[in-house]
Amino acid sequence: RKEVEQDPGPFNVPEGATVAFNCTYSNSASQSFFWYRQDCRKEPKLLMSVYSSGNEDGRFTAQLNRASQYISLLIRDSKLSDSATYLCVVNIPPYNTDKLIFGTGTRLQVFP
Amino acid sequence: AAGVIQSPRHLIKEKRETATLKCYPIPRHDTVYWYQQGPGQDPQFLISFYEKMQSDKGSIPDRFSAQQFSDYHSELNMSSLELGDSALYFCASSTDGNNEQFFGPGTRLTVL
Repeated sequence: RKEVEQDPGPFNVPEGATVAFNCTYSNSASQSFFWYRQDCRKEPKLLMSVYSSGNEDGRFTAQLNRASQYISLLIRDSKLSDSATYLCVVNIPPYNTDKLIFGTGTRLQVFP
Repeated sequence: AAGVIQSPRHLIKEKRETATLKCYPIPRHDTVYWYQQGPGQDPQFLISFYEKMQSDKGSIPDRFSAQQFSDYHSELNMSSLELGDSALYFCASSTDGNNEQFFGPGTRLTVL
């Protein structure tokens, strides 16, 4: 079993739609959680950190459920520019510098 | 804002040759990470450095070595290159106590 699992998609949605991605992680000691987005052949870009209380940044909302070891990302009012691969990322403790474990990514395609 | 700089952006080598990839972290970032991303794969953690000391090691082959210098830049040295080493190599940086990692644009290595 992979340490971080995501539905690979693709998710094909029209502009303006709401779409949700889910992710599960296996290491219950993980403390840091992130969503990154990656465009084709580009570097991963930090979208948002995920906090226990949940957090929102504009059209993006992230939730964390530690008991179920589950993370989600909700995108409202999808834009064409949201088309990308969304990577669920979890740290692997207990090292001083946390190495990140990436999920395989969920591909989103927003169409007009 | 200044970002992570990687050089070269593209590199073509032949089997059994050596390659050196360079990474310049964001100013005042003291931690550097190296990741390898093969075609269609998620980024895999290779190695990290904090304050010029190796802090964590992932799936880095013995043929590879890396170091961080006094100005915090890092170099990844790759010897006896194999076809399977063809990949995107990302460097990321962060500050101590903040595990949000910011990625450079990557070096695309092609081994012929």
